Amino acid sequence: AQTVTQSQPEMSVQEAETVTLSCTYDTSESDYYLFWYKQPPSRQMILVIRQEAYKQQNATENRFSVNFQKAAKSFSLKISDSQLGDAAMYFCAYRSYNNNDMRFGAGTRLTVKP
Amino acid sequence: NAGVTQTPKFQVLKTGQSMTLQCAQDMNHNSMYWYRQDPGMGLRLIYYSASEGTTDKGEVPNGYNVSRLNKREFSLRLESAAPSQTSVYFCASSRDRSSYEQYFGPGTRLTVT
Repeated sequence: AQTVTQSQPEMSVQEAETVTLSCTYDTSESDYYLFWYKQPPSRQMILVIRQEAYKQQNATENRFSVNFQKAAKSFSLKISDSQLGDAAMYFCAYRSYNNNDMRFGAGTRLTVKP
Repeated sequence: NAGVTQTPKFQVLKTGQSMTLQCAQDMNHNSMYWYRQDPGMGLRLIYYSASEGTTDKGEVPNGYNVSRLNKREFSLRLESAAPSQTSVYFCASSRDRSSYEQYFGPGTRLTVT
């Protein structure tokens, strides 16, 4: 079964600075999706960014970008120009291309200091 | 457009009691999911419904049953609640089983004493 590992339970960043959250995963599949979800104190799960495994180009969404290393099975999230509203739990997730079973990491709690 | 709604938001049960968590979506999505979230762990899939009339087990189905009542609604039932089922439960939906994006409800915090 696929597993997703987030090795940083907590991270902090100064407002306006850049922070990188790490994620590794284990799979024998070649086709899959990777995601980063944000969960603020409201508990609502919000999709931040996604990456299709067949795409070599790293996904970018405004201040959020990923570093996808398929051979190393690594999928890190970079948040640039951090804002107070970025403070939340961040979850990395994996989903097989043809399977509904989404696997989540344990999460990283991000604190943004003013 | 409410998206995915869940009721109730909070619930306390005694061991052995039963209850049903309700979920509805108004996005005309075909696929729906139930997850649980425990401290120190990510979300884990309990059951999913790829389309109306079908349900399948996820990673942690024991102790739960589900019903896909119609295209909009997908309920999760605990027949005999146990303290190990204390968790936050999330419902989600997606356009279909191959869609990459799932839309989540606000969650239900369930405590079993």
